[in-house]
Amino acid sequence: ETGVTQTPRHLVMGMTNKKSLKCEQHLGHNAMYWYKQSAKKPLELMFVYSLEERVENNSVPSRFSPECPNSSHLFLHLHTLQPEDSALYLCASSQLGLVGGELFFGEGSRLTVL
Amino acid sequence: TQLLEQSPQFLSIQEGENLTVYCNSSSVFSSLQWYRQEPGEGPVLLVTVVTGGEVKKLKRLTFQFGDARKDSSLHITAAQPGDTGLYLCAGHYMEYGNKLVFGAGTILRVKS
Repeated sequence: ETGVTQTPRHLVMGMTNKKSLKCEQHLGHNAMYWYKQSAKKPLELMFVYSLEERVENNSVPSRFSPECPNSSHLFLHLHTLQPEDSALYLCASSQLGLVGGELFFGEGSRLTVL
Repeated sequence: TQLLEQSPQFLSIQEGENLTVYCNSSSVFSSLQWYRQEPGEGPVLLVTVVTGGEVKKLKRLTFQFGDARKDSSLHITAAQPGDTGLYLCAGHYMEYGNKLVFGAGTILRVKS
């Protein structure tokens, strides 16, 4: 496997369910990100982990809970979500310290909350 | 209002036509990136521009960074159906701790 892989690709859940999104990067990068992508809106940065430490949390509701057990893996735990949380959730990685550093994105997890 | 404005939001053209997509801000970028996202995929970096006035070419795509580093444009010559996708600009803002901010994107559809 190369690049950034996300699972599952599609997820449908009820408002009372608990589920998790998984991201794995095989690029040796030192930073990982969760973004939310909704139609006609800019990509919203949710969380940033640098060297497994959370360095940014952009006022994301507590029903989203990230976990970064090591530099290659990132999870987004979901519980009691709302229908407006339906979106494409993108994971990305990068090598911090580079000017204009490139983000490498996964293919995304399409989440539908009923 | 968004920090970074992209225009147009949607563009539908015939194969062979030329087009330009714009990315504008009132703040200065330390660098700016253009990504393309195809349906069912994540965004993929096309180019990074750093110097004011810089022009970069990638085959039929020409990227220009404004002299004041507040705007950028992407010009596609002789568009092809394979160019169809969502084009995103993203800027690193010096006044926001070099935070990367994305525009809402331009959806391009090239019809054959």
